[in-house]
Amino acid sequence: AQKVTQAQTEISVVEKEDVTLDCVYETRDTTYYLFWYKQPPSGELVFLIRRNSFDEQNEISGRYSWNFQKSTSSFNFTITASQVVDSAVYFCALSDSNYQLIWGAGTKLIIKP
Amino acid sequence: DSGVTQTPKHLITATGQRVTLRCSPRSGDLSVYWYQQSLDQGLQFLIQYYNGEERAKGNILERFSAQQFPDLHSELNLSSLELGDSALYFCASSFSGTGGNYGYTFGSGTRLTVV
Repeated sequence: AQKVTQAQTEISVVEKEDVTLDCVYETRDTTYYLFWYKQPPSGELVFLIRRNSFDEQNEISGRYSWNFQKSTSSFNFTITASQVVDSAVYFCALSDSNYQLIWGAGTKLIIKP
Repeated sequence: DSGVTQTPKHLITATGQRVTLRCSPRSGDLSVYWYQQSLDQGLQFLIQYYNGEERAKGNILERFSAQQFPDLHSELNLSSLELGDSALYFCASSFSGTGGNYGYTFGSGTRLTVV
């Protein structure tokens, strides 16, 4: 069965600190896609990244970076030099042969000034 | 603006009532997905339509139904509403029926409050 685990329910850091959000997934499929979404207090889901199972290359986008490791079934997300505007709930999600998204429970990130 | 339009943005209704949530997918997308986000269940897949046909069902209650029309917009009907149905309902669209490879575009959601 498919499953996404975000073990960190809430993380609180001071601005400018680096922070890593963990995501562990389970699937029996060899082809699948992993996603990260941000949900700010306003409620919308903001797409951050999509990664397919055949591309293990890490990605960096500005202050954001993602580390995909198939060996440990993990797809972790790091924010470097965090800012107050990064405060939100972050979701990791999996899409495999069932096509719909399976979501983690989310990690609430609080960045204190 | 993501290109996916959901209406209404907010809805307050009483228990036992019926409501209809509407979703217009991004131009060119053929597939529509409905998700429910509640405090106790988190984000859950409800149902998927592809080009007018039901493609997959998730944890959708029998009191809930959906359809996709020829112009590809979709409606989610919730009936005999209970307090526990209060949630944020998201619609997402995708070009194909196999969303992962093309990604998903989400609407801003409809916040339903049942009182």
